[in-house]
Amino acid sequence: DAGVTQSPTHLIKTRGQQVTLRCSPKSGHDTVSWYQQALGQGPQFIFQYYEEEERQRGNFPDRFSGHQFPNYSSELNVNALLLGDSALYLCASSTHSGGKSYNEQFFGPGTRLTVL
Amino acid sequence: RKEVEQDPGPFNVPEGATVAFNCTYSNSASQSFFWYRQDCRKEPKLLMSVYSSGNEDGRFTAQLNRASQYISLLIRDSKLSDSATYLCVVAQRANNLFFGTGTRLTVIP
Repeated sequence: DAGVTQSPTHLIKTRGQQVTLRCSPKSGHDTVSWYQQALGQGPQFIFQYYEEEERQRGNFPDRFSGHQFPNYSSELNVNALLLGDSALYLCASSTHSGGKSYNEQFFGPGTRLTVL
Repeated sequence: RKEVEQDPGPFNVPEGATVAFNCTYSNSASQSFFWYRQDCRKEPKLLMSVYSSGNEDGRFTAQLNRASQYISLLIRDSKLSDSATYLCVVAQRANNLFFGTGTRLTVIP
């Protein structure tokens, strides 16, 4: 049973470019959350997808967008990259709780993005 | 104000020592509480959930004080393999996680 997988593992882009990161959830999970972890900081919540819709969003600008596919996999897109977008981007999957309780999120290994 | 505040350390302790980490959270509506462990350049992994009654898992003990919005983790008999960053995490009903900055622990031989 594969856990959460992410691709690519590393990526180098230049300012102004656009990037797409991919995530496949753990088998049986239907909800995908994305987090940004800057160096020396804890992960920060970007957004969460369930049933192919963005359900919740953290304090991130519209340059950050996402998508969820019918097979529950997800993409994170970042437009007009800034130097400050350099970070580890983590995907976490879980089963949908309906907002009634917390269901454990399992993290993927992350994509390390460097913006030059 | 940050959702979760914790001392970033670093904590450098000898093998066999007892070490305690603390954190505070700002949102009284927080419902679930955790400690995650993150090794260098790896993803965070759940170490243990934290319950109001306090809970223990081997050498690790976690405590929650809802009145003062305070969470703690105690590690007894530290091992070299305990060296990592420990992240204090809270979740509200909405199921998104709020992480502290993390406390870096190094256990020295």
